[in-house]
Amino acid sequence: GAVVSQHPSWVICKSGTSVKIECRSLDFQATTMFWYRQFPKQSLMLMATSNEGSKATYEQGVEKDKFLINHASLTLSTLTVTSAHPEDSSFYICSARIPGRLFYEQYFGPGTRLTVT
Amino acid sequence: ILNVEQSPQSLHVQEGDSTNFTCSFPSSNFYALHWYRWETAKSPEALFVMTLNGDEKKKGRISATLNTKEGYSYLYIKGSQPEDSATYLCAFIGYNFNKFYFGSGTKLNVKP
Repeated sequence: GAVVSQHPSWVICKSGTSVKIECRSLDFQATTMFWYRQFPKQSLMLMATSNEGSKATYEQGVEKDKFLINHASLTLSTLTVTSAHPEDSSFYICSARIPGRLFYEQYFGPGTRLTVT
Repeated sequence: ILNVEQSPQSLHVQEGDSTNFTCSFPSSNFYALHWYRWETAKSPEALFVMTLNGDEKKKGRISATLNTKEGYSYLYIKGSQPEDSATYLCAFIGYNFNKFYFGSGTKLNVKP
């Protein structure tokens, strides 16, 4: 149980284009999903918290107009990197929380490697 | 920004060796510590949720301990096997926060 999928697993795009990444909870409903970014040899850094039916909460330093998050259903959240630039190249990973879990367990997707050329 | 540190950054052991690594976190406002095992190209897999000072948890050959007063947790692997090769992540949650602060992980390579 508690499986999260993420698509695509890798993507290459040209500078200036937009890329959408999908995160789905397959066997549970997730009112809250999270988006992380990881640069080489660094830790997973939270970008934003996505709540179903409401606006995402972005961490300090993350541009909300650049990283658009939509959580339109209880099983799907999307991250769109708009007008991507080479410095946006990174590993993006989502997670989902099962409502009511006392210790805030998160279940992760396998991640998306984004390369902007 | 909370500082969560893991050491060592990487570890190479022979099959059959036992090994351990450390996660250090702030000792104040502790709520829970999560350990994950992350194989390449797969989703991080939850191993343990540590919540109480002195907690010891075990899953097969893997076990973990927790010291919230001094701010560290140890992960132990007994008799390492090649399939244990992965990156082991810890994530800290404090009171009044509901977000994870991750360490940068310990990458374990077990040679047959």
